[in-house]
Amino acid sequence: SQQGEEDPQALSIQEGENATMNCSYKTSINNLQWYRQNSGRGLVHLILIRSNEREKHSGRLRVTLDTSKKSSSLLITASRAADTASYFCATVPSGTYKYIFGTGTRLKVLA
Amino acid sequence: DTGVSQDPRHKITKRGQNVTFRCDPISEHNRLYWYRQTLGQGPEFLTYFQNEAQLEKSRLLSDRFSAERPKGSFSTLEIQRTEQGDSAMYLCASSPGGVSVGANVLTFGAGSRLTVL
Repeated sequence: SQQGEEDPQALSIQEGENATMNCSYKTSINNLQWYRQNSGRGLVHLILIRSNEREKHSGRLRVTLDTSKKSSSLLITASRAADTASYFCATVPSGTYKYIFGTGTRLKVLA
Repeated sequence: DTGVSQDPRHKITKRGQNVTFRCDPISEHNRLYWYRQTLGQGPEFLTYFQNEAQLEKSRLLSDRFSAERPKGSFSTLEIQRTEQGDSAMYLCASSPGGVSVGANVLTFGAGSRLTVL
């Protein structure tokens, strides 16, 4: 079963606006990662946040993690048309090796 | 090193035929993963190798699926007696392993798209 669940499933915004997507998970984790997937392509790693971190920045990306609520958010600031893609969070449940991906948020940035 | 390579990129086959996909991970990565992805869904875990050892396999997989990584380098995923429900994108990913933060970052290949007629 999928552990991560992203919300919203789809998001459409204008270029220059900010995009926020959320992820919830079910078990304890060591870290949470966000990946981007352009249509029909493989996934690309964006950012990793450790379980003892609450916020992390990378360029236009800002990730937060709330382990008490088992949730994370990804904020993309000043969005561009090239940010149009699906975004997935991924976690590794304790005691396993498998990365569990959610169903993703499909972001569309309109020029 | 150009990243994770997968071959073939596209495969069309008839129901009942066997298919094999190959993955060449980044050379210094000792961890290798196979995932399956259908349209509109996230990647679904199939199996995990650390070097040549297959350490985890999804219980969702039927006996028709088998994966190998004979020398701890490239890996193959074989699907026997394909069914229409096997139509999907098969993704391979690798990671360095170890204890550093980067050790847990997956690098994905472009995927092998399977269509079963």
